[in-house]
Order: sequence, then structure tokens, then C-alpha cells
Amino acid sequence: SAVISQKPSRDICQRGTSLTIQCQVDSQVTMMFWYRQQPGQSLTLIATANQGSEATYESGFVIDKFPISRPNLTFSTLTVSNMSPEDSSIYLCSVIGAGGGHEQFFGPGTRLTVL
Amino acid sequence: TQLLEQSPQFLSIQEGENLTVYCNSSSVFSSLQWYRQEPGEGPVLLVTVVTGGEVKKLKRLTFQFGDARKDSSLHITAAQTGDTGLYLCAGYSNTGNQFYFGTGTSLTVIP
Repeated sequence: SAVISQKPSRDICQRGTSLTIQCQVDSQVTMMFWYRQQPGQSLTLIATANQGSEATYESGFVIDKFPISRPNLTFSTLTVSNMSPEDSSIYLCSVIGAGGGHEQFFGPGTRLTVL
Repeated sequence: TQLLEQSPQFLSIQEGENLTVYCNSSSVFSSLQWYRQEPGEGPVLLVTVVTGGEVKKLKRLTFQFGDARKDSSLHITAAQTGDTGLYLCAGYSNTGNQFYFGTGTSLTVIP
């Protein structure tokens, strides 16, 4: 398994501002994922971030709104830009385990509230 | 469009009762995982099933992968309050290296 930390754990932001969420993994991993989740609901994949290449975004998510950095194999950031109340959500990063079963290991999440 | 449909969406039961959560799809998956998520935390992996018809037991939890690898079930025996949480199934398809999460089942076990 992998141990993943996220910063901040929660934040309350004003409309129009941007927030950068950090994801740190205790081991080197190739693939990292960023998800969004409404409380009590399922996960929606925002993008896949592989080290050394541009992030791949899912339908409905664009780089200008959710720029991602992946400077090395243990770290990634997701920025939520020009925020609106609709961006209020839980943001989670995850990695694939090394066990070959394609299990994902998740960070604790960042709860974002946009006023 | 959600590839994996879970049922029920919400479940509230008394401690000691049994329950089953279903995860259904029309697509075939290379593997399927079950996760439990508690408020304020990320999902935590419970089990991975890979072979059609496979059954795995984790204490009071029994997981089954359908013969055709399109569906799965999670059965909890004698539920405890600590089982409360959001249960998510997730399928992995090696076609395109894609992951698909289920719609989720929110379980509340009442003491």
C-alpha cells in the first residue's frame, strides 16, 4: 500500500480566487489521479497525472480550470482556478498500488467550500 | 453515464442484521475492487477480485465476482456500527487502462 497526504485538508475560499491542493506519496508512483466527490456520492475523475507528460483530462474538465503539476514521482498539485460555489466539493488524489491488482490508494481528501 | 450501478443507494439497518450490496454493469472488467469511505477520509480498499466466480471473505464481509466479470456483490453478516460508511465498487478495464467507480451505497448501522 501507499501512504498519501494532502494539503490543505479543508479550506473556505472566496469566489474568483484559486486554490492549489498538494498530494504527497511516500513512494515513487507513475500514475496519479485527481478526483472530485460530493459528500456521500461517488467519485468523478478529473484527470490522470503521469510524471513527465501532460495530464490527461476527462470530459468536462479543462486544463485552464484545473491545472495540474507532476514534478516528480512522489508529488502532484491540482489547482482549482477562478473558483465559483459550484466548485465546492471534496478533492481526492490517488495512486495505483504495486500489487498488480490495479487497486487505488487514496489521500484523505481536501474539502473545499467556495463562498 | 455511470458504467457501474450500485444498489441500494441508501441502506439503514439495525446492528446484527445482514445485508447485501450489489454492483452491476453491462461491461466486463479485468478486476473489481470494493472500498469503504468514512466521513472526512478517502476511500479505503477492502478487497480486489479478479477471477470470474471468485469469492473472498474478510471476517464478516463476503465479496463475490460474477462469472462473467460484469457484476459483484458484498454481503455483510451481523452488521456492526463500525460498518457504517459509503461503499464503492470500482472496475478496472485494461482496454484503455480505465477505472470506473460505482454509484455508491451509503450504509448506516443503527445500534
